Amino acid sequence: KAGVTQTPRYLIKTRGQQVTLSCSPISGHRSVSWYQQTPGQGLQFLFEYFSETQRNKGNFPGRFSGRQFSNSRSEMNVSTLELGDSALYLCASSLGVLGELFFGEGSRLTVL
Amino acid sequence: EDQVTQSPEALRLQEGESSSLNCSYTVSGLRGLFWYRQDPGKGPEFLFTLYSAGEEKEKERLKATLTKKESFLHITAPKPEDSATYLCAVQAGRGGADGLTFGKGTHLIIQP
Repeated sequence: KAGVTQTPRYLIKTRGQQVTLSCSPISGHRSVSWYQQTPGQGLQFLFEYFSETQRNKGNFPGRFSGRQFSNSRSEMNVSTLELGDSALYLCASSLGVLGELFFGEGSRLTVL
Repeated sequence: EDQVTQSPEALRLQEGESSSLNCSYTVSGLRGLFWYRQDPGKGPEFLFTLYSAGEEKEKERLKATLTKKESFLHITAPKPEDSATYLCAVQAGRGGADGLTFGKGTHLIIQP
């Protein structure tokens, strides 16, 4: 069974640009969550989607947004990039079992 | 605000030398406490869920325990392949689909 797939794996952007990251969940998983991981802050929750609806959102500015499609695939977008947005962005899918998330390998974003 | 503090930040052990990792938490109504393992360049991998004080879970050389204020991950006779960063996370019982709150992890190195 294929795991969670994230694309692209690595990308470099400059300040002010925007970026879109993609996530394909495990087949049959309808919940997709996004997390930001940095050395200083660790893993921080961005948002969660279930059946194309955002169920919850973490404490991030409005520049961070996401969506989920009918096939459960998800995208997140960051607009007007700042240096501090450099991080590993992790997508996780779930069957709905509390706390049991299956993470992808992440998209590493560097903002110059 | 939910908080998760892990200690130590880093731990170096000899192969076969047992030890414990600590996770202290402050949360409004714990729904569950979770342990994950993260290898370099990979996303976190789910290990255990603990729901209530007194509960224990085991998997190979790992055993997780839970009290009302903290959780321990005991590693018995570790092997070099147990080297990884171990992450603790909690989910609060506020209802809805809150994301997980993660600690910053314990970086464990097992030397042969």
